[in-house]
Amino acid sequence: NAGVTQTPKFQVLKTGQSMTLQCAQDMNHEYMSWYRQDPGMGLRLIHYSVGAGITDQGEVPNGYNVSRSTTEDFPLRLLSAAPSQTSVYFCASSYLSDYGYTFGSGTRLTVV
Amino acid sequence: GNSVTQMEGPVTLSEEAFLTINCTYTATGYPSLFWYVQYPGEGLQLLLKATKADDKGSNKGFEATYRKETTSFHLEKGSVQVSDSAVYFCALSAKNDMRFGAGTRLTVKP
Repeated sequence: NAGVTQTPKFQVLKTGQSMTLQCAQDMNHEYMSWYRQDPGMGLRLIHYSVGAGITDQGEVPNGYNVSRSTTEDFPLRLLSAAPSQTSVYFCASSYLSDYGYTFGSGTRLTVV
Repeated sequence: GNSVTQMEGPVTLSEEAFLTINCTYTATGYPSLFWYVQYPGEGLQLLLKATKADDKGSNKGFEATYRKETTSFHLEKGSVQVSDSAVYFCALSAKNDMRFGAGTRLTVKP
């Protein structure tokens, strides 16, 4: 039972580069979300999805895009990386948002 | 908007000491409340939850009670162990919007 799988675990980007963080879950969860974790700030919601074909913005969506073409996958795209996007990114999924989340192990991104 | 405020750390305790980590929230309506734990290099894991007022969530010796009158959800454990050393996050969820506190780092010394 894999749960929530995030790839890559580590990534270094140059300013202006683009990339996609991958997230996949095998629990048939409808709800998926992306968070970033920065020291002293807890987790902040970037984007979320309540089902295939449906996405919405969270607290800090600027500079990020998402899509949800299947129930299993919810990739996060950085359009033009900036040093302010240096962070640890977590993907999470849930049957319903009020049930509590299952988190992936995170992607540590550094933008230089 | 919805928000969570939790006790700032770090917290350092000796093994077998009593633990309290305070958490208060601001929300419209009736959110669900959660505690998550994060071990070094890992994602967050759900520790316990409560979905309505006066509910008590419990797991692995930890417990927290949903207090609507004081908008609080304090985490407690009667006797901590070295293995409890981690970062603890309080969170609330209402209508697809889950908000986290800043986290409290707990270190338990033998």
